[in-house]
Amino acid sequence: EAQVTQNPRYLITVTGKKLTVTCSQNMNHEYMSWYRQDPGLGLRQIYYSMNVEVTDKGDVPEGYKVSRKEKRNFPLILESPSPNQTSLYFCASSPNRDRVGPYEQYFGPGTRLTVT
Amino acid sequence: AQTVTQSQPEMSVQEAETVTLSCTYDTSESDYYLFWYKQPPSRQMILVIRQEAYKQQNATENRFSVNFQKAAKSFSLKISDSQLGDAAMYFCAYRSALLVGGSNYKLTFGKGTLLTVNP
Repeated sequence: EAQVTQNPRYLITVTGKKLTVTCSQNMNHEYMSWYRQDPGLGLRQIYYSMNVEVTDKGDVPEGYKVSRKEKRNFPLILESPSPNQTSLYFCASSPNRDRVGPYEQYFGPGTRLTVT
Repeated sequence: AQTVTQSQPEMSVQEAETVTLSCTYDTSESDYYLFWYKQPPSRQMILVIRQEAYKQQNATENRFSVNFQKAAKSFSLKISDSQLGDAAMYFCAYRSALLVGGSNYKLTFGKGTLLTVNP
């Protein structure tokens, strides 16, 4: 089954404790992206990657890091989480080139992060 | 930069009735894609319908249809014969069709409309 997976689904942590949210896709997509969703703000892009070893900032990158060492994986790293990073996080993927049909982005199930 | 506006934070509809969710956007591009995503309580983002800007014909998917007005930069979603399972947050989203530069792959979302379906 084609899918994007994220782990963990729920995470409660304390300020300053480094954490990683994993994202993996099995569709051989080149493009991957992280979004955060906050009430009243919709979804905003944090970082994206066009391919292995190619990453760039989105609209709200402060406080986050990413890496893309393998095509299927795109982890999101919070090295020193703060309460304002409490949010719902989504990973998404899509092909780099629009082909017939699959120009949509496929979303993971979301990770609910609470930083106290 | 593109912006997407959903002016209705909340909407409600009676089961079996029709409801229309509004979305407007701002862009200087001529070619782009528009999407409606549904987010039920499970939080999963589910693609409901998409529209290519170069197509004049409005997209339809079963009970879901759009009214795409390119000149007015309007992209509303109509849900016919509403069902209890349609209750969800709905997001309108924009994506450039200019596939040059990674930033153009970004989906720009509106703030969402929470749809309640009353039995």
